[in-house]
Amino acid sequence: DVKVTQSSRYLVKRTGEKVFLECVQDMDHENMFWYRQDPGLGLRLIYFSYDVKMKEKGDIPEGYSVSREKKERFSLILESASTNQTSMYLCASSFTGQDWETQYFGPGTRLLVL
Amino acid sequence: QQPVQSPQAVILREGEDAVINCSSSKALYSVHWYRQKHGEAPIFLMILLKGGEQKGHDKISASFNEKKQQSSLYLTASQLSYSGTYFCGTARYGNNRLAFGKGNQVVVIP
Repeated sequence: DVKVTQSSRYLVKRTGEKVFLECVQDMDHENMFWYRQDPGLGLRLIYFSYDVKMKEKGDIPEGYSVSREKKERFSLILESASTNQTSMYLCASSFTGQDWETQYFGPGTRLLVL
Repeated sequence: QQPVQSPQAVILREGEDAVINCSSSKALYSVHWYRQKHGEAPIFLMILLKGGEQKGHDKISASFNEKKQQSSLYLTASQLSYSGTYFCGTARYGNNRLAFGKGNQVVVIP
């Protein structure tokens, strides 16, 4: 089975702190994604990566950066956390090659910024 | 462009049928359906490809109308386990990204 794991299920940080969210997948997937999920807004793409050291902005990249140094690991970084970044963060991964490849999701990290 | 899902919420009794929809204003290559239960990760259900291909998962089936750029998910003889939020993700040609809708909340009661 495909497994996508995220470093924390729950995280509480203070405004202005630097926050790292880690995601690891074990299926040798080329593509990895970071989404945030808010009530009534669905899943919104923050960033995605289609290869090591490659990244592309999604729909809401402001206030976030990412890092992909190894194929299996994709990190989301909040340089200076703000209260409006309180949300559920979901990581996903998929194969490349077909436009219709399934995305597999991790369990999510619920981040609270005080 | 985010697809539009309707209705926003559905409440049905065990054994009843329901249809939920996902529409896009852009030409699509495929539509992906996921279900998410409270506090859990979205789980992949099925993919619908252009050409009107219909695929099923247990008593849940779906269709993709390429002309209308719309997909419908059919919950037949619903079970309590069908409760959750259903998301559609749409893919356009030459694009590995999925645009997700806001979700359809489905509640199945005994």
